[in-house]
Amino acid sequence: EIVLTQSPGTLSLSPGDRATLSCRASLSVESRYIAWYQRRPGQAPRPLIYDSSNRATGIPDRFSGSGSGTDFTLTISRLEPEDFVVYYCHYYGSSPETFGQGTKVEIK
Amino acid sequence: QVQLQESGPGLVKPSQTLSLTCTVSGDPMSSGAYYWSWIRQPAGKGLEWIGRIYTSGSTDYNPSLKSRLTLSVDTSRNQFSLRLNSVTAADTAVYFCARRHRGFDYWGQGAVVTVSS
Repeated sequence: EIVLTQSPGTLSLSPGDRATLSCRASLSVESRYIAWYQRRPGQAPRPLIYDSSNRATGIPDRFSGSGSGTDFTLTISRLEPEDFVVYYCHYYGSSPETFGQGTKVEIK
Repeated sequence: QVQLQESGPGLVKPSQTLSLTCTVSGDPMSSGAYYWSWIRQPAGKGLEWIGRIYTSGSTDYNPSLKSRLTLSVDTSRNQFSLRLNSVTAADTAVYFCARRHRGFDYWGQGAVVTVSS
């Protein structure tokens, strides 16, 4: 089983700042099997990134994904007020699929 | 536009069986190479992958749930279902169904299930 570890647990930033969220896999994985989601309270998770670096439909270009091997990153270039929520990475290359424990982006 | 909707009881007694159905609309389930999946999230905790089923009926389960879990699919009704036996309070969560293509690209809104007597 691939264990995903996200860091930091909480990121305190201001609107307009750049956010860098990390997701580390316990073993090297193919980068095409990493996705990122945004989780707002009361809503279904929103797909942001698939295959490590491809933006999902309708996702603004301030969101970007990168990485390879064991280290993957979600970057939000300029935080908007609606971006201060929780983000999860997801591995889907084999069973069991797994999620990271989440990173909360909060207003500083 | 593909849409998914969970349905089922919101309250289940301990030791009984939790049953949920996900109805897919907007596209036949068998139209592509997708895994039809279940994910849950207990209050205050992270997302947990429950399992997935292909339209052929082949399944993969979370090892921690495998002994209690059954997934099934009915492509004629465009539905897939989850049955979780012998539930406890630890199974209380929001349960999501989702389509897994390259990541989960479509999600249901979620069904709140509480395990309580």
